[in-house]
Amino acid sequence: DTAVSQTPKYLVTQMGNDKSIKCEQNLGHDTMYWYKQDSKKFLKIMFSYNNKELIINETVPNRFSPKSPDKAHLNLHINSLELGDSAVYFCASSLSPVTDTQYFGPGTRLTVL
Amino acid sequence: GDSVTQMEGPVTLSEEAFLTINCTYTATGYPSLFWYVQYPGEGLQLLLKATKADDKGSNKGFEATYRKETTSFHLEKGSVQVSDSAVYFCALSEGGGSNYKLTFGKGTLLTVNP
Repeated sequence: DTAVSQTPKYLVTQMGNDKSIKCEQNLGHDTMYWYKQDSKKFLKIMFSYNNKELIINETVPNRFSPKSPDKAHLNLHINSLELGDSAVYFCASSLSPVTDTQYFGPGTRLTVL
Repeated sequence: GDSVTQMEGPVTLSEEAFLTINCTYTATGYPSLFWYVQYPGEGLQLLLKATKADDKGSNKGFEATYRKETTSFHLEKGSVQVSDSAVYFCALSEGGGSNYKLTFGKGTLLTVNP
């Protein structure tokens, strides 16, 4: 049973397109996150949601719009893709916003051409 | 804001060698400290953690001690295996309440050769 799953695993697209990445967790957690990992493996938080409400937004361009239809899902929609958006995007979840341990999905490798 | 500095990689060792990956941090409060591991093609997994000064986290033969006086949380293992090849991330928790978040170091790639 996959705890945190993401789709798709790979995404290749042209500049200017709009794309979405989906994330689901079956751990019963209240809090979900999106992270971006660049080509040098540097990992940085983008967003955090708790019970479907945005609680952290780390100065991410507004081309990135997370959406949480319920607390088990946190999707990431990206408008007008740019070359610099190429990265691996990880979804994660935790029991609560103040719980130390986060559980990560397998990642989505986005390549913008 | 708070930050984490890890030793630059890559680190290449032979099987059964001793491993140390250095991690230091700057923080205004009293963060919890973590080591996460990312195996090839996978997401990050929590390896170990320590929540207060002098705590030692341990798991799968890895250890790290929370040293407040040196603001360090170095990862060690006495005898590495090929299966330990991965990227290792040091991290700290910062903020409070709904602003609580993890800040990661840049990761250290470890390759263990047979």
